[in-house]
Amino acid sequence: DTAVSQTPKYLVTQMGNDKSIKCEQNLGHDTMYWYKQDSKKFLKIMFSYNNKELIINETVPNRFSPKSPDKAHLNLHINSLELGDSAVYFCASSRDLTDTQYFGPGTRLTVL
Amino acid sequence: RKEVEQDPGPFNVPEGATVAFNCTYSNSASQSFFWYRQDCRKEPKLLMSVYSSGNEDGRFTAQLNRASQYISLLIRDSKLSDSATYLCVVNRGGGNKLVFGAGTILRVKS
Repeated sequence: DTAVSQTPKYLVTQMGNDKSIKCEQNLGHDTMYWYKQDSKKFLKIMFSYNNKELIINETVPNRFSPKSPDKAHLNLHINSLELGDSAVYFCASSRDLTDTQYFGPGTRLTVL
Repeated sequence: RKEVEQDPGPFNVPEGATVAFNCTYSNSASQSFFWYRQDCRKEPKLLMSVYSSGNEDGRFTAQLNRASQYISLLIRDSKLSDSATYLCVVNRGGGNKLVFGAGTILRVKS
């Protein structure tokens, strides 16, 4: 019973390509998030959605576009991938805008 | 200066030892505080919330000092399975925005 799942787990691609990472939660939560953990292990929030509405949009290049088709899904699309986009991307969800966040297993993105 | 600062370690301790981690945060408007644990190549998992009154969960004790903007985690009777990176996390509010420290590495050895 996976609570927060992400696909793919690993993604290796060339610079300049466009790719998507998918996230799904089966917890019935209203709020979902995307985080980036870089090579120095810093985990930083990128976006959050509550009931499909964008709440947090940190200083992220506009090549990154989140999409929430419904409350259970938050996908991340990245255009024109750059070397610096290589990182582990974690999806998370919480019951609402105040509750504990639960993280997915991560997607390890490598841009060559 | 980073918003949440931690000693990166690593802390190398023998089984059974007591180890303490400290963390400071710079934003006095921060609303809630946590310790998360992250195993190698895994996702962060909530270890415990941190309150001013202090809270304990088995071998783990967390403490918050709002005046000094300081958070601590004490692990007693360390086990091999405690080996992980411990992340100090501050909730800045504004939509449940978590700010993570870089983490403190703990290695417990037999």
